[in-house]
Amino acid sequence: KAGVTQTPRYLIKTRGQQVTLSCSPISGHRSVSWYQQTPGQGLQFLFEYFSETQRNKGNFPGRFSGRQFSNSRSEMNVSTLELGDSALYLCASSLLAGGLNTGELFFGEGSRLTVL
Amino acid sequence: AQSVAQPEDQVNVAEGNPLTVKCTYSVSGNPYLFWYVQYPNRGLQFLLKYITGDNLVKGSYGFEAEFNKSQTSFHLKKPSALVSDSALYFCAVRDEDEGRRALTFGSGTRLQVQP
Repeated sequence: KAGVTQTPRYLIKTRGQQVTLSCSPISGHRSVSWYQQTPGQGLQFLFEYFSETQRNKGNFPGRFSGRQFSNSRSEMNVSTLELGDSALYLCASSLLAGGLNTGELFFGEGSRLTVL
Repeated sequence: AQSVAQPEDQVNVAEGNPLTVKCTYSVSGNPYLFWYVQYPNRGLQFLLKYITGDNLVKGSYGFEAEFNKSQTSFHLKKPSALVSDSALYFCAVRDEDEGRRALTFGSGTRLQVQP
């Protein structure tokens, strides 16, 4: 079974630009979560989608947005990029039992964003 | 609210010696606890989890973790460390009473195993 696939793996943008990152979950997984990882802040939760609906949202500004498609693939978008947005963005998928998150997350390799 | 703490930024251990990476948690209800490992420029890999049952949980690559409810801890252990175990380790928690909440991760502990 293929794992979680994130594209692109690496990208460089300049301040003020926007970026879209893509995530394909494990087949059959309908929940997709996004995390931002930085050396100073560790792993910060961005948002979670299930069946095309946002279930949870972390404490990030509105510049950070996401969506999920009917095939469970997800995208996240960051507009008006700032230097502090440089990070590894991790996507994870999981199975949900009765709508509850009891299982582990399966992570992709991440998309490393550098903002110059 | 749910939270998790990893009190050590780095743990150094000699190859062949036992290792322990510490984790404590705080939840209102019962905890679901997880350990993940991250190698350089890679995503996180699941090691093991505690949901209910036996307090000693065995996972991948010879790792195990002991759930201690009275001390609210879930320390990761391995009887004999390998150089290849050197990586970043994350503990994570979810409160059973908040099943729809996202997983909360600790700040990570870097494990360095010296040959």
